[in-house]
Amino acid sequence: GESVGLHLPTLSVQEGDNSIINCAYSNSASDYFIWYKQESGKGPQFIIDIRSNMDKRQGQRVTVLLNKTVKHLSLQIAATQPGDSAVYFCAEKRDSSYKLIFGSGTRLLVRP
Amino acid sequence: KAGVTQTPRYLIKTRGQQVTLSCSPISGHRSVSWYQQTPGQGLQFLFEYFSETQRNKGNFPGRFSGRQFSNSRSEMNVSTLELGDSALYLCASSTGREYYEQYFGPGTRLTVT
Repeated sequence: GESVGLHLPTLSVQEGDNSIINCAYSNSASDYFIWYKQESGKGPQFIIDIRSNMDKRQGQRVTVLLNKTVKHLSLQIAATQPGDSAVYFCAEKRDSSYKLIFGSGTRLLVRP
Repeated sequence: KAGVTQTPRYLIKTRGQQVTLSCSPISGHRSVSWYQQTPGQGLQFLFEYFSETQRNKGNFPGRFSGRQFSNSRSEMNVSTLELGDSALYLCASSTGREYYEQYFGPGTRLTVT
């Protein structure tokens, strides 16, 4: 498959450990955030979203935390599995705009 | 429910030619967005259509255009192709409500030689 980014920051974790992927956003007017997972050769896959009126949301094995004070978003993956290896993107939506602004991505490598 | 489909999956074109890419959204979704993904620039928004109207446009030259049909299917066209247009073109569909999840298709890999 194709690489989605040649110089992405990489997070390497041991299988079974928890992973934390961070994202900084720049616009305080952003009101909706999404985390996507992209595997090689595939389109981004929706993981979890959060609105700006929340600071935490949980899904299956994943938790998103939003800190609006410092404009920071994080994705926590519990008990990381080899299938979690991928590039992870955060995306933000601003005000009434209908477009998503994507971060540059983080590559997650899971060591067996 | 079937996902977002894009055709073709791979395309090779020559500089100066034009290309049309197609996207069929998830059934019931009325919003279709297009993105360009390159290793250097990442994922960049091209435009978004809702009920056949363009609601948002990114910062791309006029060579990039799109349209949406009454059945919500969308096409994007790139005229006078340049080498820098080589990229993965992704289509995403959503319901189009204010807070909405966008679901992506597998993309069309365009190579310009």
